[in-house]
Amino acid sequence: DADVTQTPRNRITKTGKRIMLECSQTKGHDRMYWYRQDPGLGLRLIYYSFDVKDINKGEISDGYSVSRQAQAKFSLSLESAIPNQTALYFCATSGPGPRGNQDEQYFGPGTRLTVT
Amino acid sequence: GQQLNQSPQSMFIQEGEDVSMNCTSSSIFNTWLWYKQDPGEGPVLLIALYKAGELTSNGRLTAQFGITRKDSFLNISASIPSDVGIYFCAGQLTGSARQLTFGSGTQLTVLP
Repeated sequence: DADVTQTPRNRITKTGKRIMLECSQTKGHDRMYWYRQDPGLGLRLIYYSFDVKDINKGEISDGYSVSRQAQAKFSLSLESAIPNQTALYFCATSGPGPRGNQDEQYFGPGTRLTVT
Repeated sequence: GQQLNQSPQSMFIQEGEDVSMNCTSSSIFNTWLWYKQDPGEGPVLLIALYKAGELTSNGRLTAQFGITRKDSFLNISASIPSDVGIYFCAGQLTGSARQLTFGSGTQLTVLP
């Protein structure tokens, strides 16, 4: 079974609708992240959470909100979707690498969101 | 914020050839990571580099962490069709943030 799962995998929604993307992990990691991927732009960080009580804005948080319901669950919401939020969305978790301090991030399979 | 310049943007190579791609940064990073993304999937970690000058291999993949801590390269030897995909570099700072900054990716196509 996958360590990081995302639902839904694909979603088409209309402008102005509220939508939630969900992420679950079984890696036991405290840190979780939401990224957005657009063609030619790589991955950009939306929000990240270091534990259930710690939520931080990333590079492009405007128009998004998150909820860390449990260590294993981190959801991303678009309160009022707009067409330029059409993108691939990835959840990631991170934990210590083999040398202790540095983290290695592991990604879910992604959600393809289209806002019409 | 930090910016990573990844090159080339795309590559078309013959099966069996070696491949090299690199990332440069205007900032110093403490960790460099290389990921591969297959179509419809999330990025998968290939190699992690933690120390300036470090050279690490993973099968046919070799990556190095530049001495200046501002660059890294990834080499793939004897390419095969399943090497097709997008390769991303990512730099990470230590400290409480631990955020990754990603390059824009190198799209690799392997021709039979």
